[in-house]
Amino acid sequence: EAGVTQFPSHSVIEKGQTVTLRCDPISGHDNLYWYRRVMGKEIKFLLHFVKESKQDESGMPNNRFLAERTGGTYSTLKVQPAELEDSGVYFCASSRIIKKKGTEAFFGQGTRLTVV
Amino acid sequence: QQQVKQSPQSLIVQKGGISIINCAYENTAFDYFPWYQQFPGKGPALLIAIRPDVSEKKEGRFTISFNKSAKQFSLHIMDSQPGDSATYFCAASGKDSSYKLIFGSGTRLLVRP
Repeated sequence: EAGVTQFPSHSVIEKGQTVTLRCDPISGHDNLYWYRRVMGKEIKFLLHFVKESKQDESGMPNNRFLAERTGGTYSTLKVQPAELEDSGVYFCASSRIIKKKGTEAFFGQGTRLTVV
Repeated sequence: QQQVKQSPQSLIVQKGGISIINCAYENTAFDYFPWYQQFPGKGPALLIAIRPDVSEKKEGRFTISFNKSAKQFSLHIMDSQPGDSATYFCAASGKDSSYKLIFGSGTRLLVRP
């Protein structure tokens, strides 16, 4: 079974440009989460999809960030326009439908975004 | 506001020693407490997890101790090995927040040979 796949693994862009990150969750996982870790701090929640619907986007920093999940499969996270403080590692995680407490979330390897 | 506080920030242990990482949480609605292990260039991977109805869970050399009244939990790595050198994150989640993970700030563990 393939794991959670993210690409690109690295992206260096200039301030003001647009970047789109992609996440392919594990097949059959309806829950998809985006997280971000900036410069040695904690990994912070950005948003949560259940299938194609946004369940919780309380962690999205501002309206420069737009996440989509087409047909409940892969997801994209677009940053437009990028700012210096957007630099960090963006993680995607997926899990099965929650039927009991604490279903394991599987993480991708992350996309390291550097805005210069 | 950081809901999960983790310490220490970094830890150096000799091979064969015990590594201990501590976490404290604030939200009493949390009911799932996983620990993740992350190697450089990789994503976090679930190491071990506990629910608040038990005070301890052991898997091999890894043990979680949980103190519900103090709202604290800790990871103990027995007989630490150089291959355990990684960053460890504690986390907490609950049904009321769709089990999104609230992470601690991470602990970089180095096990010296």
